[in-house]
Amino acid sequence: DAGVIQSPRHEVTEMGQEVTLRCKPISGHNSLFWYRQTMMRGLELLIYFNNNVPIDDSGMPEDRFSAKMPNASFSTLKIQPSEPRDSAVYFCASTLWAGNEQFFGPGTRLTVL
Amino acid sequence: GENVEQHPSTLSVQEGDSAVIKCTYSDSASNYFPWYKQELGKRPQLIIDIRSNVGEKKDQRIAVTLNKTAKHFSLHITETQPEDSAVYFCAASSLTSGTYKYIFGTGTRLKVLA
Repeated sequence: DAGVIQSPRHEVTEMGQEVTLRCKPISGHNSLFWYRQTMMRGLELLIYFNNNVPIDDSGMPEDRFSAKMPNASFSTLKIQPSEPRDSAVYFCASTLWAGNEQFFGPGTRLTVL
Repeated sequence: GENVEQHPSTLSVQEGDSAVIKCTYSDSASNYFPWYKQELGKRPQLIIDIRSNVGEKKDQRIAVTLNKTAKHFSLHITETQPEDSAVYFCAASSLTSGTYKYIFGTGTRLKVLA
């Protein structure tokens, strides 16, 4: 298995633009997590899905952030409109079930100018 | 709300010495405690984990201990090597009202000096 796949690996955009981050979890994994990592705030859980259903989105910063998981092999995290404070590395992780080891993707480094 | 406190935030040790990182959790329902290592520019990767029905687990130079009464757990690295230099994150996971909580500590930057 190729592991968790994320795209793009790097994204540079201007304030106000829409940004879409993509994630393909490991085949057979039932839970998917989106994290944001910054030096100031560390690793923050944004949202997680179980069997494609959003279970806990309490970490989503505000209405500008939205996440979807239309099927078991694909998820997106969208920011609209983007702001400079959204600059961070965004990780997607998947696991067989939510209380187990998480396998992280390589991350997307987002820079909002 | 629930949180996980991790100490120290930075740790420097001489090669060959031991390193200990400690985490304290607040949710008494937590039952899974993984440790992740993140090298510079890389993704976090699991190095060891422990469940609440076990007090200690060891894997070569790495060990984790859990004190459920005090709600803290620790990572022990013996005979440290330069390649152990990284950021280490602890986490605590619990199932409450049908929802999993997976909370990470703030990380410890370990530097092993050659």
